[in-house]
Amino acid sequence: AQSVTQLGSHVSVSEGALVLLRCNYSSSVPPYLFWYVQYPNQGLQLLLKYTSAATLVKGINGFEAEFKKSETSFHLTKPSAHMSDAAEYFCAVTGGSGSARQLTFGSGTQLTVLP
Amino acid sequence: GAGVSQSPSNKVTEKGKDVELRCDPISGHTALYWYRQSLGQGLEFLIYFQGNSAPDKSGLPSDRFSAERTGGSVSTLTIQRTQQEDSAVYLCASSLVAGGNQPQHFGDGTRLSIL
Repeated sequence: AQSVTQLGSHVSVSEGALVLLRCNYSSSVPPYLFWYVQYPNQGLQLLLKYTSAATLVKGINGFEAEFKKSETSFHLTKPSAHMSDAAEYFCAVTGGSGSARQLTFGSGTQLTVLP
Repeated sequence: GAGVSQSPSNKVTEKGKDVELRCDPISGHTALYWYRQSLGQGLEFLIYFQGNSAPDKSGLPSDRFSAERTGGSVSTLTIQRTQQEDSAVYLCASSLVAGGNQPQHFGDGTRLSIL
């Protein structure tokens, strides 16, 4: 079964600093990977997705993620944090073979941005 | 355009009562998913529908949970004889088709509280 692990349930950065949120996946076949963001009392908003077209994926709000097969990682980064980035971030995977259509989520990382 | 719409946004009910949660997907999306988000279990898949095919019910936690999708559009998730452990946010998502590389678009969820 597919799974993802997010290291660090809470991450704090200063405004303007680099944001790095870690995600490692477990998959025997190339997966499809996604990053979602959740603001309080809202649903999940798609930030970006990896579907094997390119290893460096650019998303919304200045976020990007790099797929590294050798490290089974898909870490999310943003060069300069903004106060509005404070939210919870989820990494998720679906079956690369198409056998699993539903998303399997990591446990989430709460990002705090300090002024 | 309109996103995924869920109602009610909040529901409080007594233990043992039945509840119905509604999801109206994005127009034209043939795939519809239900997830549950709770403090202890994180984000869990419940069920998904693809067109007129039989739904994948593999994530439903017990036979008290059921869902239907009428006319390939609106879906209702029903929980019978609610228990306190059913308290959670129930999220609905839709995608153009059910495929591993298809991004899922989420509603804002229904927050269910069982007294």
